[in-house]
Amino acid sequence: AQKVTQAQTEISVVEKEDVTLDCVYETRDTTYYLFWYKQPPSGELVFLIRRNSFDEQNEISGRYSWNFQKSTSSFNFTITASQVVDSAVYFCALSEEIGSARQLTFGSGTQLTVLP
Amino acid sequence: DVKVTQSSRYLVKRTGEKVFLECVQDMDHENMFWYRQDPGLGLRLIYFSYDVKMKEKGDIPEGYSVSREKKERFSLILESASTNQTSMYLCASSLDRTGGNTIYFGEGSWLTVV
Repeated sequence: AQKVTQAQTEISVVEKEDVTLDCVYETRDTTYYLFWYKQPPSGELVFLIRRNSFDEQNEISGRYSWNFQKSTSSFNFTITASQVVDSAVYFCALSEEIGSARQLTFGSGTQLTVLP
Repeated sequence: DVKVTQSSRYLVKRTGEKVFLECVQDMDHENMFWYRQDPGLGLRLIYFSYDVKMKEKGDIPEGYSVSREKKERFSLILESASTNQTSMYLCASSLDRTGGNTIYFGEGSWLTVV
């Protein structure tokens, strides 16, 4: 069975600090996909990134970066120079490969609060 | 842009009432999902559907049923609401059964059962 662990329940930082959100996953599949979603107070989950298991290159998008390491089954998310608008719950998720309409297993989420 | 619309943002229902939560997507997606979100438990899958009139149970289907009569619409039904079904409900859709498709979410429906 798939499993996603986000050990950090809540993180609080001061604006402009860097912050890393951890995600550890378990799967028996050799091909799988990892996702990060952001859920602001309004409630809607916003898609941030998708990464497949064969692509271990780190990715940077503006202030966001992702570090995927298959050796440790981790897919960590770093926000550089955090802003108050980054305050949200962040979810990591794992998807199996072909044939699974079920699609995603979510972690329990990390509540990030960025203080002014 | 993909749009997933949930008809009600906030509902208050009485114990024993029948409750309908409606969801519509406008991108011709084959898959649709209903999740429930509770503090500390993340998102848990209730039911999903990969085609019209097709449905499959997720992790916590007890006390719920679903209906998918049209491709764009997926309804979640609480036959007899109970207080432990007070929660945030999220509808979502994705393109098809190919693995790794991005799932797009609606804004959520906050249900309180009193």
